[in-house]
Amino acid sequence: EVQLVESGGGLVQPGRSLRLSCTASGFTLGDYAMSWVRQAPGKGLEWVGFIRSKPYGGTSEYAASVEGRFIISRDDSKSITYLQMNGLKAEDTAVYYCTRDPRYFDWLPDLWGQGTVVTVSS
Amino acid sequence: EIVMTQSPATLSVSPGERATLSCRASQSVNSNLAWYQQKPGQAPRLLIYGASTRATGIPARFSGSGSGTEFTLTISSLQSEDFAVYYCQQYNNWPRSFGQGTKLEIK
Repeated sequence: EVQLVESGGGLVQPGRSLRLSCTASGFTLGDYAMSWVRQAPGKGLEWVGFIRSKPYGGTSEYAASVEGRFIISRDDSKSITYLQMNGLKAEDTAVYYCTRDPRYFDWLPDLWGQGTVVTVSS
Repeated sequence: EIVMTQSPATLSVSPGERATLSCRASQSVNSNLAWYQQKPGQAPRLLIYGASTRATGIPARFSGSGSGTEFTLTISSLQSEDFAVYYCQQYNNWPRSFGQGTKLEIK
């Protein structure tokens, strides 16, 4: 089955770090760009960041709100995309979705995970 | 950063009628505009990309139009399963940005 499964969410204190994982199955992760999108409770969608596939440089882009604090990486051999979140703030509380972004959809998400909840609170 | 503004915030329409949702960009995004649908408790789903191209499996009653700064999503004859929140997103510039969403509710 083609799917994405996020993990690693939970309750974390402000200022601490957390690493989310997104495990891909049913397809070759290395063939795709990947993104992270979040949604605060009762709010709209917020784009977090994007990582290109290795043939396209493997580089990343970030939202201004997370630039310098969050890092997206990938381990294609393990079929996992990561979101390293440092210096967490209360406003980072959200459901975090990872997405598969194929070239044939203009590098837009055609597959989403179920999301993992991150709560930043003391 | 490009700011995306959707209107209205909530739209009440009867089943079988047409719904028209708007999205405005703070600067030109050419045709690099996508629309998503999100139902409660579910992840979003890509409907339209390139301002007017339907994604795989999206019914023909969904259509997108516009370019530059003004965009429209039209649902020609609303079905019960279409009542949801709709988001536009520009992907012309980094960082990508979403609109705040339009909730389409049953009248």
